[in-house]
Amino acid sequence: GNSVTQMEGPVTLSEEAFLTINCTYTATGYPSLFWYVQYPGEGLQLLLKATKADDKGSNKGFEATYRKETTSFHLEKGSVQVSDSAVYFCALTLGGSTLGRLYFGRGTQLTVWP
Amino acid sequence: NAGVTQTPKFQVLKTGQSMTLQCAQDMNHEYMSWYRQDPGMGLRLIHYSVGAGITDQGEVPNGYNVSRSTTEDFPLRLLSAAPSQTSVYFCASSRDPPNTGELFFGEGSRLTVL
Repeated sequence: GNSVTQMEGPVTLSEEAFLTINCTYTATGYPSLFWYVQYPGEGLQLLLKATKADDKGSNKGFEATYRKETTSFHLEKGSVQVSDSAVYFCALTLGGSTLGRLYFGRGTQLTVWP
Repeated sequence: NAGVTQTPKFQVLKTGQSMTLQCAQDMNHEYMSWYRQDPGMGLRLIHYSVGAGITDQGEVPNGYNVSRSTTEDFPLRLLSAAPSQTSVYFCASSRDPPNTGELFFGEGSRLTVL
């Protein structure tokens, strides 16, 4: 089947620390991969995406590289800020019979302290 | 920019009551969907629509009905509420299917069933 596995949270970091949130996936085809972020009290919003192997998505200092050989899409940021505190969701989608569905991971809560 | 608007934001129901969660988008998006978010489980797809007059079931459709009479609106109906339907519900839309574009989420509707 299709699924996404994220590292368990919560993750607590000091400001300017390096962030990695691991994400691996299982897919029956060639997925597109996404990271969504949910700030407190808000809906999810797209952070970055990659649609094929070796693509790197980037936005707001966050990066993730689509690694087909390790079926991974780890999220990284070199220096986190307090404003990055949120829940981060890794997700995948496929075309064909699963058209219309995003498969989400469980989410990773990130808290950044000043 | 209104984007995706959900109402109500909060609702408390008694077991067996019915209600409708409203969702409207002003971006002329063809694709709309409903997800529920439960602790430790990420988001799960309830129903989706690829255009007016077309709906389909997602991963957890039981106990919910949808219709899509216009491009703008995609209401979610709970026919006979159960405590297991206590959750946060998100409506999302996109111009293209999720595997090609990003989803725009509403702010969520928190439902408690007693």
